[in-house]
Amino acid sequence: QKEVEQNSGPLSVPEGAIASLNCTYSDRGSQSFFWYRQYSGKSPELIMFIYSNGDKEDGRFTAQLNKASQYVSLLIRDSQPSDSATYLCAVIPMEYGNKLVFGAGTILRVKS
Amino acid sequence: DGGITQSPKYLFRKEGQNVTLSCEQNLNHDAMYWYRQDPGQGLRLIYYSQIVNDFQKGDIAEGYSVSREKKESFPLTVTSAQKNPTAFYLCASIADDTGELFFGEGSRLTVL
Repeated sequence: QKEVEQNSGPLSVPEGAIASLNCTYSDRGSQSFFWYRQYSGKSPELIMFIYSNGDKEDGRFTAQLNKASQYVSLLIRDSQPSDSATYLCAVIPMEYGNKLVFGAGTILRVKS
Repeated sequence: DGGITQSPKYLFRKEGQNVTLSCEQNLNHDAMYWYRQDPGQGLRLIYYSQIVNDFQKGDIAEGYSVSREKKESFPLTVTSAQKNPTAFYLCASIADDTGELFFGEGSRLTVL
């Protein structure tokens, strides 16, 4: 069973701070990594995907991948109350074709 | 606009009844998926289909059935054999080039 682990939170940060969300995965051969945001009662929406080691930036969001340590993180700069949501990490393990394995998600609360 | 349409959004079922959740996509994606989400948990894969007339069981297929007669459609039937069907059900399709999952708005099933 391929696993993706996330701290369930809630992670509370003040408005304007940097929120750091972490995710570890068990399959060393995983190739594709995704961060989804899910508001309560809604379906997940893609924030970022990353395939290569290092950082990938998109606006206030930065995804960081370290395959040797088998973790992927998401940084949210200048956090806003509208960023309050559950953040789901997803991974495509090797030999899974195009099936994603999801973590349980981290609840983020941004306090104004 | 391209996307995935799920219906109904809310559904109530009496114990012992089968219900069918509809999922239609106009993204021209080959692969489609059904996930189940319970409160505080991540997404668990029920069934997936890579091409028309073919589908595979996911991690929690017991008590569910699917069909894939058309590329655009992937309905899920929750049978009376599913002992705890109350959950949020998400249909998705995948972009072959990026691996990004596109989700419908979800169907919330409640067993009375």
